[in-house]
Amino acid sequence: GENVEQHPSTLSVQEGDSAVIKCTYSDSASNYFPWYKQELGKRPQLIIDIRSNVGEKKDQRIAVTLNKTAKHFSLHITETQPEDSAVYFCAASKGGSSNTGKLIFGQGTTLQVKP
Amino acid sequence: DSGVTQTPKHLITATGQRVTLRCSPRSGDLSVYWYQQSLDQGLQFLIQYYNGEERAKGNILERFSAQQFPDLHSELNLSSLELGDSALYFCASSGTHETGELFFGEGSRLTVL
Repeated sequence: GENVEQHPSTLSVQEGDSAVIKCTYSDSASNYFPWYKQELGKRPQLIIDIRSNVGEKKDQRIAVTLNKTAKHFSLHITETQPEDSAVYFCAASKGGSSNTGKLIFGQGTTLQVKP
Repeated sequence: DSGVTQTPKHLITATGQRVTLRCSPRSGDLSVYWYQQSLDQGLQFLIQYYNGEERAKGNILERFSAQQFPDLHSELNLSSLELGDSALYFCASSGTHETGELFFGEGSRLTVL
């Protein structure tokens, strides 16, 4: 079935350091991999996404890499700042004939950036 | 502001009761998704509607039901409520039923006492 595993569940870094969050997915038909950031008590918001025809995508301090063979994708945040502190969710969505647009989310990573 | 509106924002009720959560998608969006987020848990997919019809179903309990109306707003009905149903319920919308960004509402926080 569809499953997304996310690690680590918590991550604490010093301001200015890099943070890496990793996810694996089970369904090889998955072709869309977004990352959402959720601040305490707020709605999840998309920060970056990648499709299966691309291996890497970068947007300022945030980058996502995808390894389709291994069914892994990762979020990289460089030069972390206290405002990066939040819960980050990876997700996957299937393409092809089963395409509905629904996202299956990982369990989330609580990132704490210490000043 | 995502453009997705959810009401009520907060709801407190007792076990055994029934509640209805409402979602208005972004203007022009045809797909509505419902997710449940329990304390310290991830986002569990419940159900999706596209242009009035059920498109995908997740781990939605039989006590829960949903529908999407001709004006595209959606309602999630939760009945015979149990303590474990206490959670944040998010609605999200997208323009199509294909892969792409989902826009989330602010959520409805349900507390069952």
